[in-house]
Amino acid sequence: GENVEQHPSTLSVQEGDSAVIKCTYSDSASNYFPWYKQELGKRPQLIIDIRSNVGEKKDQRIAVTLNKTAKHFSLHITETQPEDSAVYFCAAPNNDMRFGAGTRLTVKP
Amino acid sequence: DAGVTQSPTHLIKTRGQHVTLRCSPISGHKSVSWYQQVLGQGPQFIFQYYEKEERGRGNFPDRFSARQFPNYSSELNVNALLLGDSALYLCASSLFRTGGAGTEAFFGQGTRLTVV
Repeated sequence: GENVEQHPSTLSVQEGDSAVIKCTYSDSASNYFPWYKQELGKRPQLIIDIRSNVGEKKDQRIAVTLNKTAKHFSLHITETQPEDSAVYFCAAPNNDMRFGAGTRLTVKP
Repeated sequence: DAGVTQSPTHLIKTRGQHVTLRCSPISGHKSVSWYQQVLGQGPQFIFQYYEKEERGRGNFPDRFSARQFPNYSSELNVNALLLGDSALYLCASSLFRTGGAGTEAFFGQGTRLTVV
């Protein structure tokens, strides 16, 4: 399975600011890159994903960018709101899905 | 359509005992993966089953085992429980194997296991 490195481990922003979380992977065969959000006491939920045939995908305030050459992909959240506070996980599944260590995002009102 | 369901939701066991956790995938999903999540950490991959065969195994001792049934539901078994096995155990299902087919994985609500 693919192992991914995720940075930063914690991120604190003011409401309305942007947040960026980055993941790097090593297996060039990976072609699917999901992001999950886990609120306290809840299950991880898929929020956005991207496949290797595109470089960017947007869904309202969230976007994911992919650089296959550099083997990294990033989650971008714009106009952050307090309800965006959660732990975010990336994955680069190939044969099985293993997650990055997670980023705890805190949005201060 | 029902999502991924896990049972039980909470469980308390004594050191040395064994435990069986159950997962029912979304209807039509053939792949089930199991994860252990310790408080404050990310989900750690334990097993993936697809079409009733083990397709992936994480770095867990042999005390951990699993199986998938003809209806694609799955069980995770843990023998000789240790205090360190206390965690949230998550099950995720996907239509096919994750990765190659690029299919989304959906999580159950988890089973919180406490070993005392």
